[in-house]
Amino acid sequence: EPEVTQTPSHQVTQMGQEVILRCVPISNHLYFYWYRQILGQKVEFLVSFYNNEISEKSEIFDDRFSVERPDGSNFTLKIRSTKLEDSAMYFCASSEEMGDTQYFGPGTRLTVL
Amino acid sequence: AQSVTQPDIHITVSEGASLELRCNYSYGATPYLFWYVQSPGQGLQLLLKYFSGDTLVQGIKGFEAEFKRSQSSFNLRKPSVHWSDAAEYFCAVGARSSASKIIFGSGTRLSIRP
Repeated sequence: EPEVTQTPSHQVTQMGQEVILRCVPISNHLYFYWYRQILGQKVEFLVSFYNNEISEKSEIFDDRFSVERPDGSNFTLKIRSTKLEDSAMYFCASSEEMGDTQYFGPGTRLTVL
Repeated sequence: AQSVTQPDIHITVSEGASLELRCNYSYGATPYLFWYVQSPGQGLQLLLKYFSGDTLVQGIKGFEAEFKRSQSSFNLRKPSVHWSDAAEYFCAVGARSSASKIIFGSGTRLSIRP
């Protein structure tokens, strides 16, 4: 069964550094998403992406965050000037159609020291 | 405002007992409803979903959920739980009209008593 994959599984970085989290969505899916989950809290929406454009973003997704689909398979989340409060599990998701079921990857745990 | 409420933070049931996890939502458009499960250290796995039609939906691992529009609820049930069902369960809502976010509840942690 096709699945969403994410790398790395765990990323440790120093405050102020830049990180790139990578995702490979399911191959025939057209809509891509990033969510995050701070330890012990609910899963929160960050951004959605379709046709090489951001469809919607939350207030969490400030100008330090960016997304890109650099090729036909990868979908990346870049965080510049990382802060301690960026520490969280970041989930990538994809769906085949608008409003369809979103399938989630296993997550990348980001730790900012 | 769009929201999902899971009133039970933590539930403990005995192995073999029945289970019901509550979920209420507030959503302006016609909702799509989901239950996801997250095992410790793992990602989010889709248990089941409701888009339209029969309001009782069957999912994986023997779970089912019933959509009750009049009560704005989408409770998850299982007739007999297994120790492997111990996990965090998230109810979530989305909309066909939106190319965007799923809104998650805060989750219910399920523990199984041997």
